[in-house]
Amino acid sequence: QQQVKQSPQSLIVQKGGIPIINCAYENTAFDYFPWYQQFPGKGPALLIAIRPDVSEKKEGRFTISFNKSAKQFSLHIMDSQPGDSATYFCAATYQGGKLIFGQGTELSVKP
Amino acid sequence: DTGVSQDPRHKITKRGQNVTFRCDPISEHNRLYWYRQTLGQGPEFLTYFQNEAQLEKSRLLSDRFSAERPKGSFSTLEIQRTEQGDSAMYLCASSLGWGDVYEQYFGPGTRLTVT
Repeated sequence: QQQVKQSPQSLIVQKGGIPIINCAYENTAFDYFPWYQQFPGKGPALLIAIRPDVSEKKEGRFTISFNKSAKQFSLHIMDSQPGDSATYFCAATYQGGKLIFGQGTELSVKP
Repeated sequence: DTGVSQDPRHKITKRGQNVTFRCDPISEHNRLYWYRQTLGQGPEFLTYFQNEAQLEKSRLLSDRFSAERPKGSFSTLEIQRTEQGDSAMYLCASSLGWGDVYEQYFGPGTRLTVT
């Protein structure tokens, strides 16, 4: 019940493409779902986050879609650029406690 | 406004030695979290503090691990009698810790290598 399952494990897209990363959770008590971007050798950087009472949130080229009934959420990256090549993690938490992370998706955007 | 800082950034130690890592959170952040990340995996929760109180500890935090946040500001994570399996990136994060503000901001991490 504490797991967050993320797919795919890796993703390759062309510049300008729209990579989509999916996550699923079981614990309906989770009330905050962030996405993090991590470059090699660096700490994760908060990208965008959503609460379960919202179905979609956009910040710049990043969009989260949230399906509460299916207990799934996804990250879309519009007009992807080579600089977006990184590992992306979804996560979930309850009342600001520990983050439960997905397994990560290694994204490569080809020029 | 500085972010979360961690020291040292890299630590190489021999099996059986003790190591201590330090984390300085964003100022005014009441919550401080420790995570461990191994290659190709997502970060795994170790423990977290609300001010100086340790609110939760993971089963991953064996009795060789101890964390403190004595004055509710910086925190230290100590690993005693290190083992090769302790080799990982140790990440610290902080959050405001009140209201419904849940954003956690991570530091650059401390890379531990146990030889």
